[in-house]
Amino acid sequence: DIVMTQSPLSLAVTPGDPASISCRSSQSLLHSNGKNYLDWYLQKPGQSPQLLIYLGSNRASGVPDRFSGSGSGTDFTLKISRVEAEDVGIYYCMQTLQSPITFGQGTRLEIK
Amino acid sequence: QVQLVQSGAEVKKPGASVRISCKTSGYTFSNYLIHWLRQAPGQSLEWMGCINGGNGNTKYSQKVQDRLTITRDASATAAYMELRSLGSEDTAMYYCVTRITKTYWGQGTLVTVSS
Repeated sequence: DIVMTQSPLSLAVTPGDPASISCRSSQSLLHSNGKNYLDWYLQKPGQSPQLLIYLGSNRASGVPDRFSGSGSGTDFTLKISRVEAEDVGIYYCMQTLQSPITFGQGTRLEIK
Repeated sequence: QVQLVQSGAEVKKPGASVRISCKTSGYTFSNYLIHWLRQAPGQSLEWMGCINGGNGNTKYSQKVQDRLTITRDASATAAYMELRSLGSEDTAMYYCVTRITKTYWGQGTLVTVSS
């Protein structure tokens, strides 16, 4: 199974400041088609996970452009350029290259 | 557009079974896997198993493989998950998921196991 490791596991950010979350996989997520099968999700309290980024760097429909994803192979990063109060919750990376689908431990973002 | 629509919430007694459906539309069902995930209250996400929409081959998590059966009806473009011998630890939100270019999720089905 592919092991996904996120860091940090929690962060507290002042509104307007940037934030960055790292996700590393134990195997490359780069498919032979050139796509990285890595998603980023935000789970707000009491809600289901909502897709932010797919294929490593593609913003999902309706996601604010302050969210961006980058990386390839085994190292990926989610960046929030200017954190807003509504961004609180738990962020997960998830790989869908192989079964079983596996997840990072989650990163809890709080507002200072 | 791609849609996955799951059946409604269930309340079950310990030892019972639960069957959840996932009806899909908007893509070629036989070309992709459907996965089942769950999330217990306050816990992270857990992969339970998957089924190939085309040939029906399945793969299960070791944790639940003795209690879980995933099936599909290709003509109805639907997948089903049956979990048996329920215990309180099976109380969770259950999701069906398929990865095409993007990953698509069902809306979730809450299963509550309580005496």
